[in-house]
Amino acid sequence: SQKIEQNSEALNIQEGKTATLTCNYTNYSPAYLQWYRQDPGRGPVFLLLIRENEKEKRKERLKVTFDTTLKQSLFHITASQPADSATYLCAVETGGFKTIFGAGTRLFVKA
Amino acid sequence: GAGVSQTPSNKVTEKGKYVELRCDPISGHTALYWYRQSLGQGPEFLIYFQGTGAADDSGLPNDRFFAVRPEGSVSTLKIQRTERGDSAVYLCASSQGGLEGEYEQYFGPGTRLTVT
Repeated sequence: SQKIEQNSEALNIQEGKTATLTCNYTNYSPAYLQWYRQDPGRGPVFLLLIRENEKEKRKERLKVTFDTTLKQSLFHITASQPADSATYLCAVETGGFKTIFGAGTRLFVKA
Repeated sequence: GAGVSQTPSNKVTEKGKYVELRCDPISGHTALYWYRQSLGQGPEFLIYFQGTGAADDSGLPNDRFFAVRPEGSVSTLKIQRTERGDSAVYLCASSQGGLEGEYEQYFGPGTRLTVT
């Protein structure tokens, strides 16, 4: 079956460390993959998009990698801050503009 | 502001009733999406529009759910004969949807639907 898996358990890290979140997918061949941030009671907010021909993409303290062979994307937040605490969602393209979201990983950054 | 807006923000209805949820996308965005999200889960795809037409409605759970976008802007999600299992946050998003592949989705705050 088609599936998107993200770390189901919350990730707790110390301020200043690098947070690494994983997104694995099966039975898709996405042309692109996106990462979103969601805070409680709010809609998701777009962070980064990476295309199938890109290995890595960066934006400020964020870095995303995309390995189409492993069917995996890694999302890194360097020099993490308590304000980075949120749920991070991976979204996989499944045809044109349609995307399917993973369940998300909750990140807690402790001061 | 110029973001995606959704109304109402909260809706409580009795089992069996009909509800309509409205989404106002960002002006000029041709793609519009509906998702629903339950606690602890990611957004579950329901339907997406390119302009006025439903490009993919494969996520609608059954024929009680229907969505329209008659003028290619505002969209309404309609749920007939509501059931308690329909209780969730319904999210709307829009994206530019152009030939350049502007795929980033901008989400509204959601409508929290509670069926009693």
